[in-house]
Amino acid sequence: SQQGEEDPQALSIQEGENATMNCSYKTSINNLQWYRQNSGRGLVHLILIRSNEREKHSGRLRVTLDTSKKSSSLLITASRAADTASYFCATVTNTGNQFYFGTGTSLTVIP
Amino acid sequence: SQTIHQWPATLVQPVGSPLSLECTVEGTSNPNLYWYRQAAGRGLQLLFYSVGIGQISSEVPQNLSASRPQDRQFILSSKKLLLSDSGFYLCAWSAHRGRYEQYFGPGTRLTVT
Repeated sequence: SQQGEEDPQALSIQEGENATMNCSYKTSINNLQWYRQNSGRGLVHLILIRSNEREKHSGRLRVTLDTSKKSSSLLITASRAADTASYFCATVTNTGNQFYFGTGTSLTVIP
Repeated sequence: SQTIHQWPATLVQPVGSPLSLECTVEGTSNPNLYWYRQAAGRGLQLLFYSVGIGQISSEVPQNLSASRPQDRQFILSSKKLLLSDSGFYLCAWSAHRGRYEQYFGPGTRLTVT
């Protein structure tokens, strides 16, 4: 399977703390993306990082990419209760139009 | 602006019955279209993707099929549902060439009984 893996599977933190989740993948990629999913809903795109980039920021989000280790991390700073959701990484291959999603990290932010 | 529609939102079907889920996109042309399935508490499994009318690529051999009769319409079908077909089905689109972000529909919750 080309599906990636997120780590940890579940994360529970207090409001105001930072949340870090990791993603590992198996194949060469064109870019890697992070998505958020609230329970029972569709996914929402958060941020995209290209294979030639190492770090990217968007608001309270910081993404890093290490293509030599085939891994990425998503940092959410100063978390809020509204950040409670599942977070998925997705890789896009160079050879086609396929998106491969990881298994997800379930984040709970306690007010 | 672009919008993506999926219907129905929920569906309960008996084993052996047929299935048809529809997805339509508005506000863009020649999108890449995708069907995913998500089991409870799990990640997304790519089922089918399409880069144009009548062009369907299957990722996983299974009991399902997909068709794209129009540029912005993507249909997921089955002739006979299995219990293992239960799950949350998501349709998504991305810009052609597929190197950009995906936009997801609200999903269909399918329960096969």
